[in-house]
Amino acid sequence: GNSVTQMEGPVTLSEEAFLTINCTYTATGYPSLFWYVQYPGEGLQLLLKATKADDKGSNKGFEATYRKETTSFHLEKGSVQVSDSAVYFCALPAGNNRKLIWGLGTSLAVNP
Amino acid sequence: DSGVTQTPKHLITATGQRVTLRCSPRSGDLSVYWYQQSLDQGLQFLIQYYNGEERAKGNILERFSAQQFPDLHSELNLSSLELGDSALYFCASSVGWGMLAGEGLHEQFFGPGTRLTVL
Repeated sequence: GNSVTQMEGPVTLSEEAFLTINCTYTATGYPSLFWYVQYPGEGLQLLLKATKADDKGSNKGFEATYRKETTSFHLEKGSVQVSDSAVYFCALPAGNNRKLIWGLGTSLAVNP
Repeated sequence: DSGVTQTPKHLITATGQRVTLRCSPRSGDLSVYWYQQSLDQGLQFLIQYYNGEERAKGNILERFSAQQFPDLHSELNLSSLELGDSALYFCASSVGWGMLAGEGLHEQFFGPGTRLTVL
């Protein structure tokens, strides 16, 4: 079945540093791919998504490109801020399309 | 604010007890999802309801059950609680049941969670 592998954290960066959080997947076909973010003390919220190969999702300065050749959907941001400190989850639909498969989450801490 | 409400915010109880967690979805959303988040297991999908009917099941224990009522709010019942059930329980809602091929996945909106501590 479909699965997702996300880089382990925690990731600690200084403000304005470049961020990459790796996410690779295995899937039947080309399902939509998602990044959700969980800020401290809150529930998850959708950060960005891509619905087909070569799509680029973007939001709040974050970007991720759906790359079918490498089965990857890495999350990037050129200059992180302290307010980006959160846990980031990569997700995709299960093969039967009846639920989301979630990565384990990557914790990001940005220091001023 | 996602528009999804969950009560209570915190719950402390003892092993063997039973608790009920409540979720009200966003206005207009027909689907409700329940998740368990713990440090060792990460985010685990438990169950989904759409317009009162169960639509998908994940890693939900037999000691746990859920339902969605005609007004679309949902309750998650946890019984015979064990120490390992201590976790954050999230409810999420979406407009459709949103997992059908060709329909596309609908965005899930998460509530703030209920933190359950079993002593």
